[in-house]
Amino acid sequence: KAGVTQTPRYLIKTRGQQVTLSCSPISGHRSVSWYQQTPGQGLQFLFEYFSETQRNKGNFPGRFSGRQFSNSRSEMNVSTLELGDSALYLCASSKNQETQYFGPGTRLLVL
Amino acid sequence: AQSVTQPDIHITVSEGASLELRCNYSYGATPYLFWYVQSPGQGLQLLLKYFSGDTLVQGIKGFEAEFKRSQSSFNLRKPSVHWSDAAEYFCAVVGLVGAGNKLTFGGGTRVLVKP
Repeated sequence: KAGVTQTPRYLIKTRGQQVTLSCSPISGHRSVSWYQQTPGQGLQFLFEYFSETQRNKGNFPGRFSGRQFSNSRSEMNVSTLELGDSALYLCASSKNQETQYFGPGTRLLVL
Repeated sequence: AQSVTQPDIHITVSEGASLELRCNYSYGATPYLFWYVQSPGQGLQLLLKYFSGDTLVQGIKGFEAEFKRSQSSFNLRKPSVHWSDAAEYFCAVVGLVGAGNKLTFGGGTRVLVKP
């Protein structure tokens, strides 16, 4: 069974731009969660989608948004990028409220 | 609110020696507990998990962890470390009901393996 895939793997943007990251979950998994990883703040929960609905949201500004499609694929969008948004963005999928399996991440650099 | 503490930021261990990584959690009820490992530039790989039952759980790559409710701990162990175990290790907790799938992570412990 294929694992969680994330595209793109690397991204360079400039301040003020927006970015969209994509995540394809493991087949049969309906929950997709997003996390931001930075050296200073560690791993922080962004949001979770289940059956196309946002089920949980972390403490991030409204510039961070996401959505989930009927095939469970998910995208997250960051608008008006700031230097501090440079991070590794990790997506995880799960079948139910249990084990989350992570993708390789998208490394975003904001210049 | 749930929280996870990993007291050791770095640990250096010799190849072949034993390894123990500490994890303490704070949660009102019985949590679901996880250990993940991250190699440089990679995502997180699940090592093992505890939901209920036997408090000593076995994982992949020869790792095991013991859940101790009285100490709110979930320490990870490996009897003999290999050079390939050099990585960063994260302990995490997820609430049982109403919290969806929000994982709360500890700050991580970076393991260096000396030849």
